[in-house]
Amino acid sequence: DTEVTQTPKHLVMGMTNKKSLKCEQHMGHRAMYWYKQKAKKPPELMFVYSYEKLSINESVPSRFSPECPNSSLLNLHLHALQPEDSALYLCASSQGGGRFHEQYFGPGTRLTVT
Amino acid sequence: AQSVAQPEDQVNVAEGNPLTVKCTYSVSGNPYLFWYVQYPNRGLQFLLKYITGDNLVKGSYGFEAEFNKSQTSFHLKKPSALVSDSALYFCAVRDGGANNLFFGTGTRLTVIP
Repeated sequence: DTEVTQTPKHLVMGMTNKKSLKCEQHMGHRAMYWYKQKAKKPPELMFVYSYEKLSINESVPSRFSPECPNSSLLNLHLHALQPEDSALYLCASSQGGGRFHEQYFGPGTRLTVT
Repeated sequence: AQSVAQPEDQVNVAEGNPLTVKCTYSVSGNPYLFWYVQYPNRGLQFLLKYITGDNLVKGSYGFEAEFNKSQTSFHLKKPSALVSDSALYFCAVRDGGANNLFFGTGTRLTVIP
């Protein structure tokens, strides 16, 4: 099973709402990632969890709050977002934090902030 | 510092013809290079990677890539293109000291029937 699942597929939220994105993998991977992708652009790394600990935060605004409850789950909590935060949010996982491990991506959550 | 360049935003090729999607890289140490494909409204799918060893790497769906150290290139190739290969292709390089995966800007491949 090489699948990373993400829910919901689509999310529309107002600027005052609080919502969460969920990501799950059952491949035994120990590194998980959140990326943001704008239309026709490459993915931009937001956060990296390695062995359930936050190892990288790419200067992401505090209105995005990641959480890794266990080695299979990764959440992204959203609060007071701005319209410019509308994007495709991708979750990925890899076998470890090593430089030679490929990442497996989920299908993404299409977020629209109104 | 590391970076990846994909010099072509768009590549068009006729079905059945060979295809090449270009990628050049810049890293301070040994390069760890990856190709991913993205279909509309989907996540990225891993195609292949170069870590060490043979310069010609074979991957999924008949794709292969050639690592050229002297030219710092890692071009993606396929001998015979299919219409279903039409998608957005990203080259990426892995930072040697951390988990970061740096992506190129992407190349849109269109295979014309």
